[in-house]
Amino acid sequence: DTVLTQSPALAVSPGERVTISCRASESVSTLMHWYQQKPGQQPKLLIYLASHLESGVPARFSGSGSGTDFTLTIDPVEADDTATYYCQQSWNDWTFGGGTKLELK
Amino acid sequence: QVTLKESGPGILQPSQTLSLTCTFSGFSLSTYGMGVGWIRQPSGKGLEWLANIWWDDDKYYNPSLKNRLTISKDTSNNQAFLKITNVDTADTATYYCARAVYYGLGAYFDYWGQGVMVTVSS
Repeated sequence: DTVLTQSPALAVSPGERVTISCRASESVSTLMHWYQQKPGQQPKLLIYLASHLESGVPARFSGSGSGTDFTLTIDPVEADDTATYYCQQSWNDWTFGGGTKLELK
Repeated sequence: QVTLKESGPGILQPSQTLSLTCTFSGFSLSTYGMGVGWIRQPSGKGLEWLANIWWDDDKYYNPSLKNRLTISKDTSNNQAFLKITNVDTADTATYYCARAVYYGLGAYFDYWGQGVMVTVSS
């Protein structure tokens, strides 16, 4: 299994820049994707193939990385970004990270 | 536009077989690069990928659950199905289906259904 490790939670103030990290237990090339899930809702695709912004997603969101280390950046953070963010790899079967809960101060 | 909707039994007893249906529109599972996946999420916990089925009928399963899962599709009726045998309380979760797309470099889920809650209880 390819295990994806994310920090459990982050708290930032609106207007700040936040980076959410995801580390894979083995290289997944650029087959890493990011989803946002708000309470009571289904996940929503934000970034695919490590750095490609999904259509309709604000340009405040960006992704980077390759191999084992990946980052989702939100700049600037807005109140509506309160959510849990999941990374997911599709290099070796498919697995999700444990999620990072983003809270705004 | 692309939509997906899951349906299931709501509640079932331990040792029974869980049958889930994903009814979708806006794409075809006979089109190159299209697939449907199943993902579940216990209340308050993270996402767990279960299985994918592709336009060419290729199927992939979560290795930790593979011997209990069967994924299938009905292309003419725009449906995908998942069966999980011998359920227990650990299978209690919200089950999502999602469209999977393969663009040559890789694949990911771009549209998700709203999810269906399944409770396993005696």
